[in-house]
Amino acid sequence: SQWGEENLQALSIQEGEDVTMNCSYKTYTTVVHWYRQDSGRGPALIILIRSNEREKRSGRLRATLDTSSQSSSLSITAAQCEDTAVYFCATDPSSSFSKLVFGQGTSLSVVP
Amino acid sequence: GPKVLQIPSHQIIDMGQMVTLNCDPVSNHLYFYWYKQILGQQMEFLVNFYNGKVMEKSKLFKDQFSVERPDGSYFTLKIQPTALEDSAVYFCASSLLDWGYEQYFGPGTRLTVL
Repeated sequence: SQWGEENLQALSIQEGEDVTMNCSYKTYTTVVHWYRQDSGRGPALIILIRSNEREKRSGRLRATLDTSSQSSSLSITAAQCEDTAVYFCATDPSSSFSKLVFGQGTSLSVVP
Repeated sequence: GPKVLQIPSHQIIDMGQMVTLNCDPVSNHLYFYWYKQILGQQMEFLVNFYNGKVMEKSKLFKDQFSVERPDGSYFTLKIQPTALEDSAVYFCASSLLDWGYEQYFGPGTRLTVL
């Protein structure tokens, strides 16, 4: 799982497998952003989940948010090689102007 | 989708010199951000900017840093003078709305201070 003093995590799975990445955060938030970052590029938002949603789906992606345990997860169903990337969760603890706080990230490698 | 551009992609300078990193945000966006990422570490917030003003800055945003967006042109991050610890990838982001909405990131500028 991401956060705190943890180093960047690395996961390697085979094509077709399911994978879940977890994120625990320290500061209260009502929204969690999940970004993916491909090599040499900036982060791109893949799912934004709010506290009133608890679960959100987008294609093969599914995000959950549990504000009581201050945790979120991102699942990928039937992973494909193009899902290979670094995945970050980010919270926005500010109640006024936005300032994202990123986790360490999970480096996901999907191999044939 | 909307794109944020950053120029240059890589900048190498000597310690003590001034550097300006340029960001071309999404055209109708109103909120602008800079983040810093040291190799192997998490991305960290530097500053946000709205209506010509810095709204909030982190402890990483040292006195040597400044931001501006003159006349709706590039959103710039200037470091003067640079220090070795400023070596990192700097990401610019922009958003149409503020808190709780998507930020669009550029590809980053890799700054190397020698």
